[in-house]
Amino acid sequence: RKEVEQDPGPFNVPEGATVAFNCTYSNSASQSFFWYRQDCRKEPKLLMSVYSSGNEDGRFTAQLNRASQYISLLIRDSKLSDSATYLCVVNRRGGYGNKLVFGAGTILRVKS
Amino acid sequence: GAVVSQHPSRVICKSGTSVKIECRSLDFQATTMFWYRQFPKQSLMLMATSNEGSKATYEQGVEKDKFLINHASLTLSTLTVTSAHPEDSSFYICSVRRHPNEQFFGPGTRLTVL
Repeated sequence: RKEVEQDPGPFNVPEGATVAFNCTYSNSASQSFFWYRQDCRKEPKLLMSVYSSGNEDGRFTAQLNRASQYISLLIRDSKLSDSATYLCVVNRRGGYGNKLVFGAGTILRVKS
Repeated sequence: GAVVSQHPSRVICKSGTSVKIECRSLDFQATTMFWYRQFPKQSLMLMATSNEGSKATYEQGVEKDKFLINHASLTLSTLTVTSAHPEDSSFYICSVRRHPNEQFFGPGTRLTVL
């Protein structure tokens, strides 16, 4: 079983739609949580951190449930430019300090 | 602006040759840099942690003699893929960590071994 699991998609949605991604992680020692965005053949870029209290950044809302080891990302009013792969990432203590563990990503395609 | 640069962005080489990839921290001095590898449709996998002035620490299953890492200064780490083979073809990405929760990635190097 992968340490961070995501539905690979793709999610094909029209502009203006609301879409939600889910992620689960298996290591209870995970300390912090993030969503990254990766465009085709590019490096990942931090979208937002995820907190237990839930946090919002414009059209994006992230939520963490530590008890269920579950992370979510909600995108409202989808734009064409939101098309990308969304990576669920956890930061946990490894053998030599903290390390980021990446999910394989969920593909989002927003169409006009 | 960019925090991390990588060179080259793309390399195509013959099987058996060695390829060196450079990673530079542009904005701050990084005692630690990270090297990842990403195969198509798969997640980024941490290969090794590069420590300035000391040996790199490698993740389980990563051959240290094949992937040579040198972190000679606070702004430069290099990854050398020795005797590259087609199965080493991948997207190699480095990153630097400025704060515990702030990590920046380089633009990546796409390696194709023929």
